[in-house]
Amino acid sequence: DAGITQSPRHKVTETGTPVTLRCHQTENHRYMYWYRQDPGHGLRLIHYSYGVKDTDKGEVSDGYSVSRSKTEDFLLTLESATSSQTSVYFCAISESMLFQGGNYGYTFGSGTRLTVV
Amino acid sequence: ILNVEQSPQSLHVQEGDSTNFTCSFPSSNFYALHWYRWETAKSPEALFVMTLNGDEKKKGRISATLNTKEGYSYLYIKGSQPEDSATYLCARLPYSGGGADGLTFGKGTHLIIQP
Repeated sequence: DAGITQSPRHKVTETGTPVTLRCHQTENHRYMYWYRQDPGHGLRLIHYSYGVKDTDKGEVSDGYSVSRSKTEDFLLTLESATSSQTSVYFCAISESMLFQGGNYGYTFGSGTRLTVV
Repeated sequence: ILNVEQSPQSLHVQEGDSTNFTCSFPSSNFYALHWYRWETAKSPEALFVMTLNGDEKKKGRISATLNTKEGYSYLYIKGSQPEDSATYLCARLPYSGGGADGLTFGKGTHLIIQP
């Protein structure tokens, strides 16, 4: 769906280089999240945002930083990529923390496959 | 239970049979329990969001129940079809006093429907 897009879809980078992944939404949702998905692990939360310039750390935030200067964009930066950061990265958006009926699940982007060599 | 745990890890079911699987989670500071369906080469899609103890939700042949006091949820699929083949994820949202903690996901149950 066009409501959330991730770029790039695939990237190969060298160890030690900085990398920025972009998540863009057109839904005007307040909450945005970055997860990584690795074999043998569930989706693990890296960082999340609850508004413009409001971000916080998740379970596996070491080596990552984020920024949200506009409602629609949430950037994930690997300051100095390492091989352990080879993963598939998913962005997700959520409308509300308060469930007033209906299905306020997360909407996920298509993922970015990052390989660090 | 400290984490979100799902069982079984994988499941093979004959087409037409019904099946169910389990999600266990910490019952303290509970706010909501989500179920997602994740097909190969696609993104996870939300199935259900449940918040109240005893909640039961249904979507076609798929239903889910929730027990927040003991910390478990069941997902049921009635009359399995090949298109039900997917990984089913559950995820817990803790209560954080109005904050915005993200979901903690289980590792999923990989369901394969055999014709």
